[in-house]
Amino acid sequence: EAGVAQSPRYKIIEKRQSVAFWCNPISGHATLYWYQQILGQGPKLLIQFQNNGVVDDSQLPKDRFSAERLKGVDSTLKIQPAKLEDSAVYLCASSYGQGTSEQYFGPGTRLTVT
Amino acid sequence: AQSVAQPEDQVNVAEGNPLTVKCTYSVSGNPYLFWYVQYPNRGLQFLLKYITGDNLVKGSYGFEAEFNKSQTSFHLKKPSALVSDSALYFCAVRGPANAGKSTFGDGTTLTVKP
Repeated sequence: EAGVAQSPRYKIIEKRQSVAFWCNPISGHATLYWYQQILGQGPKLLIQFQNNGVVDDSQLPKDRFSAERLKGVDSTLKIQPAKLEDSAVYLCASSYGQGTSEQYFGPGTRLTVT
Repeated sequence: AQSVAQPEDQVNVAEGNPLTVKCTYSVSGNPYLFWYVQYPNRGLQFLLKYITGDNLVKGSYGFEAEFNKSQTSFHLKKPSALVSDSALYFCAVRGPANAGKSTFGDGTTLTVKP
């Protein structure tokens, strides 16, 4: 079974530029998550999709971050414009359902904003 | 609001000795509790979960965890540590009222010395 795929693995941009991350979840997983993990901290949920609908985006900085999951499969996360404090690892995860289901994580995208 | 505390940033044990990685949580209602492990240069991997039933749950690689409702704890344990267990461990909680939103602790680095 293929795991969660993410690209790119690394990205370096200057502040005020834009960047996009892509995620392909495990086949059949209805729930998709985007997390931000700052060095030394645990993952922080940015947005959670159930199929192509948003379940929770309460911690997504909506003035600069956006995410979509068209057709309920792949997802993209965009930052525009980037700030220095956005430097982090962005993790995508998927799960079969919500609540009791464990999450399967991709390798992450390490973003450096200079 | 739900939260997770991992009071120890670092745990050091000798190979062959038992290990414990501590986790306490705060959530409304009955919790769903998870442990994940992150090996160097690899993504987060699911270890085990508590949903309901027996307070002692067993997971991958010989790990187990004990749910203690009165102490709001979910400590990770292993009877005999291996050098290969050295990694970063995250505890996570979900509350039934949060539609599956997970809150992660900041992680505990486990180092097992030969």
